[in-house]
Amino acid sequence: GENVEQHPSTLSVQEGDSAVIKCTYSDSASNYFPWYKQELGKRPQLIIDIRSNVGEKKDQRIAVTLNKTAKHFSLHITETQPEDSAVYFCAASKGGGSNYKLTFGKGTLLTVNP
Amino acid sequence: ETGVTQTPRHLVMGMTNKKSLKCEQHLGHNAMYWYKQSAKKPLELMFVYSLEERVENNSVPSRFSPECPNSSHLFLHLHTLQPEDSALYLCASSLQLAGGSTDTQYFGPGTRLTVL
Repeated sequence: GENVEQHPSTLSVQEGDSAVIKCTYSDSASNYFPWYKQELGKRPQLIIDIRSNVGEKKDQRIAVTLNKTAKHFSLHITETQPEDSAVYFCAASKGGGSNYKLTFGKGTLLTVNP
Repeated sequence: ETGVTQTPRHLVMGMTNKKSLKCEQHLGHNAMYWYKQSAKKPLELMFVYSLEERVENNSVPSRFSPECPNSSHLFLHLHTLQPEDSALYLCASSLQLAGGSTDTQYFGPGTRLTVL
């Protein structure tokens, strides 16, 4: 089955700096890659996702890049703010038909220091 | 933040107790999921329902028993649990099971379960 590795497990940055979280996946058939943000004591919330027909997607300060050849995708947060502090999870799935199962990474605890 | 709700938010139970977790979604979705979230582990998919039919039982012990009476409600019945079952149990829903933009999963706030 699919295996998703996520690095780093913890990341501390100064406010205003950029943060990058990387994930690798094992199944080359995977084609849907969402990122979830989970603040302490709250539910995971989808912040951005990318599908295999594009290489990059941006939404304001957040961007995700996908390299299908190397089987890795990354989350980029620019101009970080204290409210960006949370655990971020990447996931992968094949989508379509019976391939709905999301395989998650272990998460990255991001701390933005004011 | 009221699309997917879960009750109770916190639950403490003994190993001989029987309890149930409830999930309700107000999004008109057709697929619902139970996940287990333990410290320092990836989210683990437990069960999946599509149009009230179970389509996935991810090798979950029989002390966890799901029920989906309709597309808006999902239950997780618990009995004779073990301390290692203590975790955050998250419910999620998506418009459809898979495909295109309809497979985005929306999570509930979770039930923090402690088994003594």
